[in-house]
Amino acid sequence: AQRVTQPEKLLSVFKGAPVELKCNYSYSGSPELFWYVQYSRQRLQLLLRHISRESIKGFTADLNKGETSFHLKKPFAQEEDSAMYYCALSGGGADGLTFGKGTHLIIQP
Amino acid sequence: DAGVIQSPRHEVTEMGQEVTLRCKPISGHNSLFWYRQTMMRGLELLIYFNNNVPIDDSGMPEDRFSAKMPNASFSTLKIQPSEPRDSAVYFCASSLAGVNGYTFGSGTRLTVV
Repeated sequence: AQRVTQPEKLLSVFKGAPVELKCNYSYSGSPELFWYVQYSRQRLQLLLRHISRESIKGFTADLNKGETSFHLKKPFAQEEDSAMYYCALSGGGADGLTFGKGTHLIIQP
Repeated sequence: DAGVIQSPRHEVTEMGQEVTLRCKPISGHNSLFWYRQTMMRGLELLIYFNNNVPIDDSGMPEDRFSAKMPNASFSTLKIQPSEPRDSAVYFCASSLAGVNGYTFGSGTRLTVV
């Protein structure tokens, strides 16, 4: 069975500090990993996918197959980064996403 | 493209009433997903369709829940009869077989009193 674990329900850091949102997964094959962001009462938006290896809004995430992790990182947090962040996994193709429980990131001024 | 469109945005109904949530996926997308979001359980996949055919409905909580996709541009999620524990935000998402990720609608906030 596939599973996504986000161990931190809440993460609070000061503006300008580095941020790391943890995500670990369990999947028997080769998964696709995603990070979605949900700003207050808005729709979920795709932030990153591991295949594209891009940096969006200063965030990066590297897939570590050995540790089965896909942690989200940003070197300098900004107040507008405050949101819910969801790590998600897909087995590929047309399957749905399996989401972690989410981490509420709060950036303090 | 206006993205994935869901209606209504908010729904308040009394226990026992039938509730119908609607979704219009992005034109050209061939997969459609219904998710439920609650504080306790986070985001749960309820059901998904591929080319209008239900593929996996194992996430549908009870027989009170049903979903249809009569054509490529429309899907409904129905709860009959509704119960207070069904209160949640219901999201619809669509994709082109997972390519470029999944696009979510704005969600329907359902409150059953």
